[in-house]
Amino acid sequence: EVQLVESGGGLVQPGGSLRLSCAASGFTVSSNYMSWVRQAPGKGLEWVSVIYSAGTTHYTDSVKDRFTISRDNSKNTLFLQMSSLRAEDTAIYYCARGLHDYGDYFDVFDIWGQGTMVTVSS
Amino acid sequence: DIQMTQSPSTLSASVGDRVTITCRASQSISSWLAWYQQKPGKAPNLLIYKASSLERGVPSRFSGSGSGTEYTLSISSLQPDDVATYYCQQYNHYPLSFGGGTKVEIK
Repeated sequence: EVQLVESGGGLVQPGGSLRLSCAASGFTVSSNYMSWVRQAPGKGLEWVSVIYSAGTTHYTDSVKDRFTISRDNSKNTLFLQMSSLRAEDTAIYYCARGLHDYGDYFDVFDIWGQGTMVTVSS
Repeated sequence: DIQMTQSPSTLSASVGDRVTITCRASQSISSWLAWYQQKPGKAPNLLIYKASSLERGVPSRFSGSGSGTEYTLSISSLQPDDVATYYCQQYNHYPLSFGGGTKVEIK
């Protein structure tokens, strides 16, 4: 079964750090575009970051220089290292797989995890 | 950055009604647009990509259309299971961006 399972969320103080994990099954993380998308409580969706199969990464401006997306191919797992956390980073964080269609890869998310909650508060 | 504006923000319709949601981009996105359905407490679910391509397993009552800066998601006959919030997303340029969402309710 194709599945993504996030972990690592929790309560952290402003300025603190946290590392989120996303374990994949049924497909290979390193062969796909993989993204993190977040959703603040009661709010809409916000894309955070992507890593391509070739290793190229992109970030939304508000997390640049604070968040780092990476993967461990041996564990088939995606990560999001978050530092200098702010109250506005409080959200459910989803990992998502980019669509692979007719040999091309797209930043459209066909598989999502269940999400992990990150709360930044003192 | 590309801004995505959805309307309406809330929609109430009867079972069997045709429902249409609009998404406008701040610049042309060349049909690189997707639609998602999100039910409370759940992750989003992909419905449509490339503006009008139906994702595998999605009921045929869902359809998408549009080009340039204006796109629509239609539900041909609203069902109780369609109660959810719907989001559009552009993937033409980074940063990727979503619309603010349209909450669909049954009247």
